[in-house]
Amino acid sequence: AQKVTQAQTEISVVEKEDVTLDCVYETRDTTYYLFWYKQPPSGELVFLIRRNSFDEQNEISGRYSWNFQKSTSSFNFTITASQVVDSAVYFCALSEARRRDDKIIFGKGTRLHILP
Amino acid sequence: EPEVTQTPSHQVTQMGQEVILRCVPISNHLYFYWYRQILGQKVEFLVSFYNNEISEKSEIFDDQFSVERPDGSNFTLKIRSTKLEDSAMYFCASSGSGEQYFGPGTRLTVT
Repeated sequence: AQKVTQAQTEISVVEKEDVTLDCVYETRDTTYYLFWYKQPPSGELVFLIRRNSFDEQNEISGRYSWNFQKSTSSFNFTITASQVVDSAVYFCALSEARRRDDKIIFGKGTRLHILP
Repeated sequence: EPEVTQTPSHQVTQMGQEVILRCVPISNHLYFYWYRQILGQKVEFLVSFYNNEISEKSEIFDDQFSVERPDGSNFTLKIRSTKLEDSAMYFCASSGSGEQYFGPGTRLTVT
């Protein structure tokens, strides 16, 4: 069965601090995709990254970076030098890649507060 | 950049009423989805749709729900007789070759 666990329900950090959001997943498939989405207070889902299970290279995009560790089934997300605009709920998600229309399974999300 | 659109952005309905949520997927996409997010909770898969039929549905997607692609552009979710617990944000998504693009969501409030 597929499962995504985000153990941190809520995190608060002061602006400019670095923060890491944890994500642990479970799947029986060898081919799958991992995602991170941001949900700001306005409610939409903002796509941040999709990672193929065969690509374990870490990714950096500006202040955002992702660490994919297949050995520990983790796909953690780090925001460097956080800003107030980073305040949102962040969802880690998993999709098994058996078919083109495989559903996305979301974690429960981590609510991130960046304090000025 | 093409995007998925959804209407209305907010719908208020009375318990027992039928409601139709509308989505316009990205034009060359072939796979369509509905997800639901009860306030403060995680996003949950409802149904996927391909080639004019349901590919997969979750346990949430019971007989009260139906989906349709009536005219080749719209993709609709119908709830036949709404319940209080149907109050949620409903997201439509579409995909072409793997990545799903989400719409902005319709907030449904059942009173």
